[in-house]
Amino acid sequence: DIQMTQSPSSLSASVGDRVTITCRASQDIRNDLGWYQQRPGKAPKRLMYSASSLESGVPSRFSGSGSGTEFTLTISSLQPEDFATYYCLQHNYYPLTFGQGTKVEI
Amino acid sequence: QVQLVESGGGVVHPGRSLRLSCAASGIAFSNYAMHWVRQAPGKGLEWVAVISYYEGDKYYAESVEGRFSISRDNSKKSVYLQMNSLTGEDTAVYYCATGGSGPGHWGQGTLVTVSS
Repeated sequence: DIQMTQSPSSLSASVGDRVTITCRASQDIRNDLGWYQQRPGKAPKRLMYSASSLESGVPSRFSGSGSGTEFTLTISSLQPEDFATYYCLQHNYYPLTFGQGTKVEI
Repeated sequence: QVQLVESGGGVVHPGRSLRLSCAASGIAFSNYAMHWVRQAPGKGLEWVAVISYYEGDKYYAESVEGRFSISRDNSKKSVYLQMNSLTGEDTAVYYCATGGSGPGHWGQGTLVTVSS
């Protein structure tokens, strides 16, 4: 199985900060990676697909990059509604595997 | 808009079975693979299973292989998850999600609690 190592596991930030979350795959997954946001008590919501494509309706302050084994999600200017947990997911091989999650806190 | 509604969750004794359903609307359901993903209380997301749009291909997480079975009925725009031999490790919120480039649209989830 492909292991997805996500870092950091949590971070503290302020409104307006630039935030970067990293995911590393244990083997080449091309660009078959998505990023998901989950607010407390809510279902996950996909932000990015194919590593760098923004889901429709998602603010442009979110961006994704990377391919192969190293991927990054960046929030250019953190907003109050962005405080949530973020997960990466590889969908290049079955079983699909998620990163451990990154909790973004104030 | 796309709407996915899961049902069938509840409290079940260890070793028993449960069948989850997910009804879709707002999409051309028969064109989409469908996933089940779960989340144990206070834990991260775990992918469970996927079924191709034509039901020919099915894949499972190792943790559920041989106990869970995914199926679909395109005429009812629904996907199902038959869960057998349940244990406490299966306690989680179960989400269905549309396929494509990984899970796209998600339902709100249904809680399954395995407890004696």
